[in-house]
Amino acid sequence: AQTVTQSQPEMSVQEAETVTLSCTYDTSESDYYLFWYKQPPSRQMILVIRQEAYKQQNATENRFSVNFQKAAKSFSLKISDSQLGDAAMYFCASALNSGGYQKVTFGIGTKLQVIP
Amino acid sequence: EAQVTQNPRYLITVTGKKLTVTCSQNMNHEYMSWYRQDPGLGLRQIYYSMNVEVTDKGDVPEGYKVSRKEKRNFPLILESPSPNQTSLYFCASSLPGTSPESEQFFGPGTRLTVL
Repeated sequence: AQTVTQSQPEMSVQEAETVTLSCTYDTSESDYYLFWYKQPPSRQMILVIRQEAYKQQNATENRFSVNFQKAAKSFSLKISDSQLGDAAMYFCASALNSGGYQKVTFGIGTKLQVIP
Repeated sequence: EAQVTQNPRYLITVTGKKLTVTCSQNMNHEYMSWYRQDPGLGLRQIYYSMNVEVTDKGDVPEGYKVSRKEKRNFPLILESPSPNQTSLYFCASSLPGTSPESEQFFGPGTRLTVL
């Protein structure tokens, strides 16, 4: 079984500033992946960034980067130079390779507000 | 354009009236799944399918049925909807495995209200 915990229901950040969203997970598996999804008001689920557990290097996608601490089972998302379009619900998720498919478990989400 | 489509996008119905939410993908993905999203609970998996005629329960399957007669379609059926099934529903599809190529693609969501 796997669990994903997001302890910050809401966060806010000033435009152009940096914000970090927290996520912890628990799994006994060694082969797993971690994700951050963005859900804007349109409700579309958009993959922001992905991290393979076997990779030590933290993933980066433009202004988005993660701090992956495998021993601590922590997977935080850092958004640099925040923009108004970053306002959304952010979900942390983990995926196990379960019989050839991804068993994905989501956290409850963090609502990010960007203040002009 | 590669996409997952869901219909309807919005539905208001009454308790006990059978309904079907359709899901279709044009990416030839083997794997498809249904999630429901509720405030404070995130997304929870209802059912999934690894290929045609192969389906299995997710974490919250009670009150739902699915079928996978064609690779591209994976309808979600509520035989007797109840108010606790009021939720936002997402269909997703992907290739098998956990490689970067097996990213899950999500549909636009279906907002269901059961009165």
